[in-house]
This record gives sequence, C-alpha cells and structure tokens, in this order.
Amino acid sequence: GAVVSQHPSRVICKSGTSVKIECRSLDFQATTMFWYRQFPKKSLMLMATSNEGSKATYEQGVEKDKFLINHASLTLSTLTVTSAHPEDSSFYICSATPLTDTQYFGPGTRLTVL
Amino acid sequence: SQKIEQNSEALNIQEGKTATLTCNYTNYSPAYLQWYRQDPGRGPVFLLLIRENEKEKRKERLKVTFDTTLKQSLFHITASQPADSATYLCALEGSGNTGKLIFGQGTTLQVKP
Repeated sequence: GAVVSQHPSRVICKSGTSVKIECRSLDFQATTMFWYRQFPKKSLMLMATSNEGSKATYEQGVEKDKFLINHASLTLSTLTVTSAHPEDSSFYICSATPLTDTQYFGPGTRLTVL
Repeated sequence: SQKIEQNSEALNIQEGKTATLTCNYTNYSPAYLQWYRQDPGRGPVFLLLIRENEKEKRKERLKVTFDTTLKQSLFHITASQPADSATYLCALEGSGNTGKLIFGQGTTLQVKP
C-alpha cells in the first residue's frame, strides 16, 4: 500500500515552454501533497504544500507564479513549471500523506531545460 | 532556525558489519523523526518513524534511537548487505503542525562484499 506515482519520469523541453508534472496517490486519499526539488548530491528542498481544494502554500523564495500547483482531487496534484529556463532543470519529487505523519514519495521527475 | 546535520562523508563498511549513521539537530524539539532511503535517481522510501517519547524502534535489521536530550538520532543497519548501499536521509517534523518534513543532506552508505 501507500503508492505514489509521478508522470512523466523524465522530460526535456526548450527554454520558454511550460511543463506539467502529475503526482497521484494510487491506493489512498491524500489530504496533503508536497512538492520538492533536489539538486545533485543535495537534500530535498520543500517547494510547496498542497491541500486538496485550497491554494498551495509556498516556501520562502519559491515563485508561485513560476511553479503553479493544483490539487484538484484527493488523489491528484499537478506542478506546472511555467516558462521554464535552464536553471529550472532539476529533479522534482512529490510526496503524499494520508492522515498520518509519514510521507510517501513518488519516483521523481527529471526535468532538463535546453 | 531548525538545522539538521548528517555526516556528509560517505560511509564505507564491509558486508556483515553494522552500519551506524548519525543525525543531529539544533534549535528545535520535534515530536517525531523519520528515516528514509534514497537510491540514485529515485524518490525517497520511508523506513522508520520514531516519536519523542520512544527511545528505540526496530524493524527487521534496522534500529533507530532518538535521544531528545542530545538532540540526536542514530540509525543502525545490522548484518549489512551490498543491497543496503544507498543514501539515507533523516527528516524532522517541521514546526507548526503542518505535516512538513525538514530533511538532512543524507549520508551515503557503501557496503562492500
């Protein structure tokens, strides 16, 4: 149980385009989902907290107009990187939590912006 | 602000030995602490959660201790195997009861056959 999927697993795009990443909890309802980014050999940095049916809460320094988050249902959250630039290239990981303290992570999405 | 420190140097041990990883934190008293395993290019996988009123928790070959006085958690893998080679992340409950986790930078374990 507690499986989280992400799609796509890998995406390469041109600078200036937008990219949407989906995060789904497959076998539980997630009241809260989190979005992280991770640079090589670095730890996970929380970008935003997403609650179903309400606006996401962004961490300090994260541009909400750049990283659009939608949590449309209890099993789906999406992160859209708008007008992507090479510096947005990173590993993006989502996590989902039912009504417990544990977060279950997706496999991650490798974004490369050319 | 909350700070978590894990040994950034890789830990190399021989198969069959016990691996011990350390997580230290400052400026906070979390209600719980978690350990995750992360393989290259993959998302973290939950291993164990230990609460502030628990001294020790075990799961198969894994053991976690939580010393709230020292502000330290130790993560042990007994009878280590090459398949245990990975990066292990310590995570603390963030403030504000929001469910947020704050992660350490991770320690990479390499178990040699």
